[in-house]
Amino acid sequence: SAVISQKPSRDICQRGTSLTIQCQVDSQVTMMFWYRQQPGQSLTLIATANQGSEATYESGFVIDKFPISRPNLTFSTLTVSNMSPEDSSIYLCSVATGEKLFFGSGTQLSVL
Amino acid sequence: ELKVEQNPLFLSMQEGKNYTIYCNYSTTSDRLYWYRQDPGKSLESLFVLLSNGAVKQEGRLMASLDTKARLSTLHITAAVHDLSATYFCAVDLPLEYGNKLVFGAGTILRVKS
Repeated sequence: SAVISQKPSRDICQRGTSLTIQCQVDSQVTMMFWYRQQPGQSLTLIATANQGSEATYESGFVIDKFPISRPNLTFSTLTVSNMSPEDSSIYLCSVATGEKLFFGSGTQLSVL
Repeated sequence: ELKVEQNPLFLSMQEGKNYTIYCNYSTTSDRLYWYRQDPGKSLESLFVLLSNGAVKQEGRLMASLDTKARLSTLHITAAVHDLSATYFCAVDLPLEYGNKLVFGAGTILRVKS
């Protein structure tokens, strides 16, 4: 199993600002994933982050808006840049260990 | 386009009753996950189904996978209020599709006393 610490757990931000979300895992993992869950919706994959390489973004998500860092095998950050109210969502990081995918506790972001 | 469809999207049931949530997917996959999410919380892993015919049970929940029909079911037996949550299925796509999970829309379950 994997224990994932994600922070902040929630934040209220002003339009036009940026927020960086951190995700720390208690073991080394090759791939980390970042998901977005818009209000009342399912989860959508934003990007996959491998250590030592550029993140791979899904259709509809771009690096300028959601830059990701992956400096080592236990840590990753996702930045939500130049925020607008449409970015209000829950953001979750996840890791795969063995046959399971574990999720962090999520960051609930509200943009005013 | 790869799709994962869950139904029903909303389920209101009485305590003690049985019901099944269905998860259909549109591409070949040999791995399917079921998750539970409580309001304001993250996702809790319920089951990982790894092969055709796999069946797993935990308490009042039982999940099965038919890879030929591209169908998974989550069966609830004698529902209790504590099972109220949103349930998601997620399909693990093959490597050629990026080896990633695609989630269903979720089923909101409300169990009434």
